[in-house]
Formats: sequence, C-alpha cells, structure tokens
Amino acid sequence: DAKTTQPNSMESNEEEPVHLPCNHSTISGTDYIHWYRQLPSQGPEYVIHGLTSNVNNRMASLAIAEDRKSSTLILHRATLRDAAVYYCIPGEDQGAQKLVFGQGTRLTINP
Amino acid sequence: EPEVTQTPSHQVTQMGQEVILRCVPISNHLYFYWYRQILGQKVEFLVSFYNNEISEKSEIFDDQFSVERPDGSNFTLKIRSTKLEDSAMYFCASSEPRRHTDTQYFGPGTRLTVL
Repeated sequence: DAKTTQPNSMESNEEEPVHLPCNHSTISGTDYIHWYRQLPSQGPEYVIHGLTSNVNNRMASLAIAEDRKSSTLILHRATLRDAAVYYCIPGEDQGAQKLVFGQGTRLTINP
Repeated sequence: EPEVTQTPSHQVTQMGQEVILRCVPISNHLYFYWYRQILGQKVEFLVSFYNNEISEKSEIFDDQFSVERPDGSNFTLKIRSTKLEDSAMYFCASSEPRRHTDTQYFGPGTRLTVL
C-alpha cells in the first residue's frame, strides 16, 4: 500500500477556499487517488478521486501533481458542514479494493 | 438517494458474549465491507465480501469474526466471543465496482461497547 503524508490539522474560515495537501510519493503508476472525509460521529464519505488529470465535482476539486507524488483537495468555499477529517487514499485500479485509511487531516472551519 | 443502513446504532454486551451487527447495503451493489474504528484511532479494514465469499480479510479478522449474507439484502458481522478490545465503531460499506470508480458507500456505524 502506498504511504501517504497529510498534515494532522488545518483551520480555515467559512466561505474561504481550503487547500488540503497529501504526499504519496510511493504511489504506483496505476493507483488512483481517492479522497474521503469523515464528518463528526459519521461514517466515511467519498469526496473525489482522480488518476492524472485535475478533477472537479460538486463537492470539491482535485489537483494532481504532474509527477503524481502529491495531490491537493480544494474546497472552493468552505462551510461549517465541511468540518471533518479528510483522508487521501491511493488505490489500485483492480475493481473493489480495501481502503487503507491514514490519520487524515482534521479540518476546522471558523464561522 | 440510496444509503447503507446499520442496526443497532449502539450495542452494549458483556465480554465473552456473541454479537451480530447488521447492515443493509445499497440494493444493486455487489461488494460489501466491514471496517472498524477504535475511539481516537484510524479506520481499519476488516473484511471484504463478494459472491457469497470473503474476498480479502485483515489480520484483525481472526476466527472470532465471521460474515454472512443470509438473504438478498442483509450483510452481517458476527463476533463469537467479544473481548474488551473489540469495543469500537463498526462501519459497513458497499460498492458497485466499475473500472476506475470503486466508490465505497459507508453506513452510519454501530458503536459496540464490550463491558
């Protein structure tokens, strides 16, 4: 499993953009980069995933470095509801795979 | 929107007792998973299940654990003789894996407390 490094915690203000970094220098060429988050007292929730190109969906954007050794999850306008632990999880491209969670980044949003 | 459900939300049991945690995955999903999260720690993979058999299991998933899909809708995790260290949140997840998009959908969890 590829090792990931994320900041333990980050803080931002409501309605401001948030950039959550992740280093995954040992990622394999076929691993996708998945991001999940865990809101307080809830199960993990899928956010976004990508392989090489930057990706956008209604929740967030994912910027992937050209060498794929790092990526950044971007929340364009954070809300209080975005306060959660965010996990970056490289995953093999072989269908259903277990998710290997690290410690993640605990994001605090100030009103 | 379809969701994974789990029952009960909280289970309290005595050490040595058997517990069964229940999950109803999303109806058209084919892969099922159990994860656990001890308080303050990481979410840990326990087991994945497909086509009525275990696809992969972790070292945590020893002989005390078993999984079953007794009918077309439920997916259960049984712990035969609970230990204090089994106290954790247990999350069920399901997915409909397609190439490049194996998104797992998680339930709200069952909090297991072993006394």
